[in-house]
Amino acid sequence: DIQMTQSPSFLSASVGDRVTINCKASQNINKYLNWYQQKLGEAPKRLIYNTNNLQTGIPSRFSGSGSGTDYTLTISSLQPEDFATYFCLQHNSFPWTFGGGTKLELK
Amino acid sequence: QVQLKESGPGLVQPSQTLSLTCTVSGFSLTSYNVHWVRQPPGKGLEWMGRMRYNGDTSYNSALKSRLSISRDTSKNQVFLKMNSLQTDDTGTYYCTRDGGAADYWGQGVMVTVSS
Repeated sequence: DIQMTQSPSFLSASVGDRVTINCKASQNINKYLNWYQQKLGEAPKRLIYNTNNLQTGIPSRFSGSGSGTDYTLTISSLQPEDFATYFCLQHNSFPWTFGGGTKLELK
Repeated sequence: QVQLKESGPGLVQPSQTLSLTCTVSGFSLTSYNVHWVRQPPGKGLEWMGRMRYNGDTSYNSALKSRLSISRDTSKNQVFLKMNSLQTDDTGTYYCTRDGGAADYWGQGVMVTVSS
């Protein structure tokens, strides 16, 4: 199975900050990497698919990059509604595997 | 719009069988795969298995001996059954549509395994 190591696990930031979250795969996942936002009690929401494709309706302050084993989610200017948990998913091969999550908190 | 909703018992006794239903709307089960994913409290997400659009299934090898996924296309429902439950099966169970991998998710259903 492909292991996904996500960092950091916790991130404290302020409104307006630029933040990055990383996922490292244990092997090449050929850009088959999605990013999700999850708020308590809500369904996860897909933000980015296949590394750098913005899901329809998601603000452009969210972006993704990466290749091979290393992938990054960037939020260019944090808004109050962005404080949530984020996780990555590799779907290059089964079983799908997930990053451990990053809890983004208000500083 | 696309919606998925999980339902099932909140409490299951150890050694018993878990039965969950994912009811979908806004798309056809004969056009999209549906996956099951779970998350133990305070831990990461685990892919459990999938029902393909053509009725085929795939399972996580770690769960394969205990897990069964089926569907009723006339009711727009996908079912998960897992036997021999233990306390470490406690968690939130999600179904998700595979529109380019997990594009829409249900809110999840919390399942506690306890006597």
